[in-house]
Formats: sequence, C-alpha cells, structure tokens
Amino acid sequence: DAGVTQSPTHLIKTRGQQVTLRCSPKSGHDTVSWYQQALGQGPQFIFQYYEEEERQRGNFPDRFSGHQFPNYSSELNVNALLLGDSALYLCASSLQQLNNQPQHFGDGTRLSIL
Amino acid sequence: AQSVAQPEDQVNVAEGNPLTVKCTYSVSGNPYLFWYVQYPNRGLQFLLKYITGDNLVKGSYGFEAEFNKSQTSFHLKKPSALVSDSALYFCAVRDRNTGGFKTIFGAGTRLFVKA
Repeated sequence: DAGVTQSPTHLIKTRGQQVTLRCSPKSGHDTVSWYQQALGQGPQFIFQYYEEEERQRGNFPDRFSGHQFPNYSSELNVNALLLGDSALYLCASSLQQLNNQPQHFGDGTRLSIL
Repeated sequence: AQSVAQPEDQVNVAEGNPLTVKCTYSVSGNPYLFWYVQYPNRGLQFLLKYITGDNLVKGSYGFEAEFNKSQTSFHLKKPSALVSDSALYFCAVRDRNTGGFKTIFGAGTRLFVKA
C-alpha cells in the first residue's frame, strides 16, 4: 500500500521563475493539503483540495495556486519565486469524511531559490 | 486567531528517564489535537491524537499525551526515553467546527536523548 508520494525530491530555481510540485495521495484518500515548512519552523497550511476544488486556504498570496485531478493527485504551483519561498513543501492526504483523523504526509519537496 | 505554542526549542533527557514535551494552544471551541514526529529529511509521522473522551491518550512507540482543557495544554510524555526517540516533535490543532483539514502546527521541539 503506497503512501503519499511527492516529486521531485529536490529542486533548485532562481528568483522570478515558476515551479510545479506534484503529489499522489495515499491509496483510498480523496483530499490533499499542502504545507510549507521553512527551516526551523513548523509546517504552515497553504490550501486543501477536495473534489478538484480548493476548499480551504491559509495566509498565502495568489502566487501559490494548485490543482487536483480526477485521480485525486495534486499539483502545487508557485509563480514569481522569491528567496523566501525556499522551504520544504509537504503534501498530506486524508479522507474528507473523516476530518477528525490525522493526515498522512509525504517526505516533501525541498525547494531552493537562488 | 488559532495558535500553538511549544515553549521549548530543545529538550534534553537521558536514556531511560521520562520525557515531557510541552504544548499549549489557543483555539476557539474544542479542537482536535495531534502530535507528529519528524526525522531528518522526512515528512511528518503521526504519533497520537485527542478527539474526545479520556484526557490521557496513548499512541505509537510508547508515547502518550495528556489533554488539559482548563490549561489548554496537550503535553507529550513517555515513561522511558530511547536514543531512537531523538527527533523533531510537532504539536498541532484543528478546528473541529470548520469541517476541513486546515491544521495549525507549533514551531517544533527538538528532543535529544543521550545514551
């Protein structure tokens, strides 16, 4: 039973570029959330996708956008990259009807902005 | 605004001794509470949760946590620490009234267990 998988594991970009990160949820899960974890900090909620729509959003600018596909996988897109976007980006999956349960996390994508 | 505080950046304990990692929260209503652990270059692994009921909850790897509503705390404990418990621990809360999965995490506490 595959858990949450994310790709790529590492990525280096320069300021102003755009990036797309990908996530496949755990088998049987229908909801995907994205978090940003800066160095030395806890994860910060970016947004959550369910039924191919953004359902909840944290305090992140519109440069951060996402998409969910019919197979429940998801993408996180970040435009006009800033140095401060350097972080570990974590994807978490869950089952929408069980929001009292913990999320399952992938190992993340480490994004470095030069 | 919802927030989670982990007042200690690092906790040091000798192997075999009990450990406590502190967490307090500020959330309206009765939140769901979680503890996660993170090893280097890995995602978060779930340890335990409080949903309702008994204030003392037991989780994975011998960890437990005590929910205290009046003090809005959810401290993580283990009776006897192992060197392999050394890792980064996160306390997290979720508003049960919103129906979604937006989860607020603390800044984390690094646990160092010395042999």
